[in-house]
Amino acid sequence: QVQLQESGPGLVKPSQTLSLTCTVSGGSINSGSYFWNWVRQPAGKGLEWIGRIYTSGSANYNPSLKSRVTISLDTSKNQFSLKLSSVTAADTAVYYCARGQGGWVNYYHFYYMHVWGKGTTVTVSS
Amino acid sequence: QSVLTQPPSASETPGQRVTISCSGSSSNIGVNTVNWYQQLPGTAPTLLIYDNNRRPSGVPDRFSGSKSGTSASLAISGLQSEDEADYYCAGWDDSLNGPVFGGGTKLTVL
Repeated sequence: QVQLQESGPGLVKPSQTLSLTCTVSGGSINSGSYFWNWVRQPAGKGLEWIGRIYTSGSANYNPSLKSRVTISLDTSKNQFSLKLSSVTAADTAVYYCARGQGGWVNYYHFYYMHVWGKGTTVTVSS
Repeated sequence: QSVLTQPPSASETPGQRVTISCSGSSSNIGVNTVNWYQQLPGTAPTLLIYDNNRRPSGVPDRFSGSKSGTSASLAISGLQSEDEADYYCAGWDDSLNGPVFGGGTKLTVL
């Protein structure tokens, strides 16, 4: 079955850009109507959706982070990536990548993330 | 401050039934479906309930979900020690144009 694995630097300096990659194995990132997501979780706190990208390359982001976030797709490597600019200590968190599925049924919008990576810890510190 | 509101904690003894609530609004739960995620200590979240009350393959039928108006609930019956985890409700928010989460409920099995 499909598995996701996050990778990237565990330490980023304040004001720099955080860059993470999610490698998809066990299936093609291009197959099916899936959304590829990034979610983060500060230590001891809840989950926060960062953004997602569709297999077409169309992306949308959490409004609270939109000015600093870019999510991109690399189908040749079966990967998708996250870039978060101008980081501060508040961006310290475990970052997860996840595969999502969504659409409409009987006028209700459904959206869930059914495959998750194990997460990677990113600390913002000088 | 999370968009969806959950109690921070819940507890019950083994074998009993526990319910966790999730309160939203007319831009999320009121008009879209609800999901629940389980996060065991030190691990990534996993999908527990989707589309209000559907269970992914492998999830025991001890777990059930329901929705009414702008609120939703997760019920766990026949509580077991391995159910001790954080539980998050989530759903699509039309105003934010993205998925939103509750703050999470830490379930303790006494």
